Amino acid sequence: SQTIHQWPATLVQPVGSPLSLECTVEGTSNPNLYWYRQAAGRGLQLLFYSVGIGQISSEVPQNLSASRPQDRQFILSSKKLLLSDSGFYLCAWSVGTNEQFFGPGTRLTVL
Amino acid sequence: GQQLNQSPQSMFIQEGEDVSMNCTSSSIFNTWLWYKQDPGEGPVLLIALYKAGELTSNGRLTAQFGITRKDSFLNISASIPSDVGIYFCAGQLLGSGGSNYKLTFGKGTLLTVNP
Repeated sequence: SQTIHQWPATLVQPVGSPLSLECTVEGTSNPNLYWYRQAAGRGLQLLFYSVGIGQISSEVPQNLSASRPQDRQFILSSKKLLLSDSGFYLCAWSVGTNEQFFGPGTRLTVL
Repeated sequence: GQQLNQSPQSMFIQEGEDVSMNCTSSSIFNTWLWYKQDPGEGPVLLIALYKAGELTSNGRLTAQFGITRKDSFLNISASIPSDVGIYFCAGQLLGSGGSNYKLTFGKGTLLTVNP
């Protein structure tokens, strides 16, 4: 069966520091991968998606970037964090359908 | 981007009551999905709908894909305390397909169940 991992689970970072969040999927090949941010107001905002290695599409202009160095690995990064980058970051995968399956999330607090 | 209007925003009910929530849009969707999110966790897929008029159940949950393809509802019967959480609808717009399978999400319905 497929599983999705995200780490770290929680992170507290100072403004201006770099960021790297990792997402890995097991049990499937060539998944579509997605990064979402969920602010306290509950809505899910799609940040990036990837349909293959090295293929990244950005949905909104922002301070973040994404990379997919391996088939089942998706990384969210920033060179300098802003206060507004705080939130709950969710990674999701799908294969061949519209059904997306989410990871456990990373809670990021920027101080 | 396209919006899904999800209502109600929040609900406070007594254990044992039935719950109904819905999503509507001015655009046509070819897929409707319903997710539940527990506090501090990722959303979990409850039900997926792929055909207009489709009615699907998952235990005490029932969801329907509207005939017009612009709406969907989720019903929960005989609510229990563990039903507490945020319920999201999501859909893929007709014609927006391709290989990316991007979804549009509603803003969620926060359900509180009083025991």
